[in-house]
Amino acid sequence: DAGVTQSPTHLIKTRGQQVTLRCSPKSGHDTVSWYQQALGQGPQFIFQYYEEEERQRGNFPDRFSGHQFPNYSSELNVNALLLGDSALYLCASTQYRGGGNQPQHFGDGTRLSIL
Amino acid sequence: AQTVTQSQPEMSVQEAETVTLSCTYDTSESDYYLFWYKQPPSRQMILVIRQEAYKQQNATENRFSVNFQKAAKSFSLKISDSQLGDAAMYFCAYRAFYTGANSKLTFGKGITLSVRP
Repeated sequence: DAGVTQSPTHLIKTRGQQVTLRCSPKSGHDTVSWYQQALGQGPQFIFQYYEEEERQRGNFPDRFSGHQFPNYSSELNVNALLLGDSALYLCASTQYRGGGNQPQHFGDGTRLSIL
Repeated sequence: AQTVTQSQPEMSVQEAETVTLSCTYDTSESDYYLFWYKQPPSRQMILVIRQEAYKQQNATENRFSVNFQKAAKSFSLKISDSQLGDAAMYFCAYRAFYTGANSKLTFGKGITLSVRP
């Protein structure tokens, strides 16, 4: 049973560039959430996708956008990269109509470094 | 908005001893979920234990247990018989009840736990 998979593992970009991160949810899950984790901090919620629509959004600028595909996989896009976007980006999946106490399952993350 | 506070940035424990990690939160809701996640250097966030706010009984998972004080909005994690593999960053997290599994998680800043052999 494959868990949540993310690619790439590590990425280096320069300021002003654009980046796309990818996530495949755990088998049986239909909802994907993205989190940004700065070094030494807790993860911050970016947004969540279900049925190919953004369902919830955290306090992040429009430079952060996403997409969900019919197979439930998801992409996170960040435009006009800033130094402050350097972080670990975590993807988490769950079942939209699952029991309220079921946890979100996390991937290993993508480490994004901005030079 | 809900907030989660972990005021201890680092803690250390001797192998086989017991350690307690503290967490407080703020919410106006009466029903919600609380979680402790572990993040080792491998980066993957691993669920340690969960607690439903409407349950009075404290959750227990093997060597891990919580002390949930709803009135005080406190949710501490106790690790008994600490092992070297317990060394990691631990995050306390809150999730609203009304939207169920699809609610976002709100995390604290985390506590780095080291285990001395």
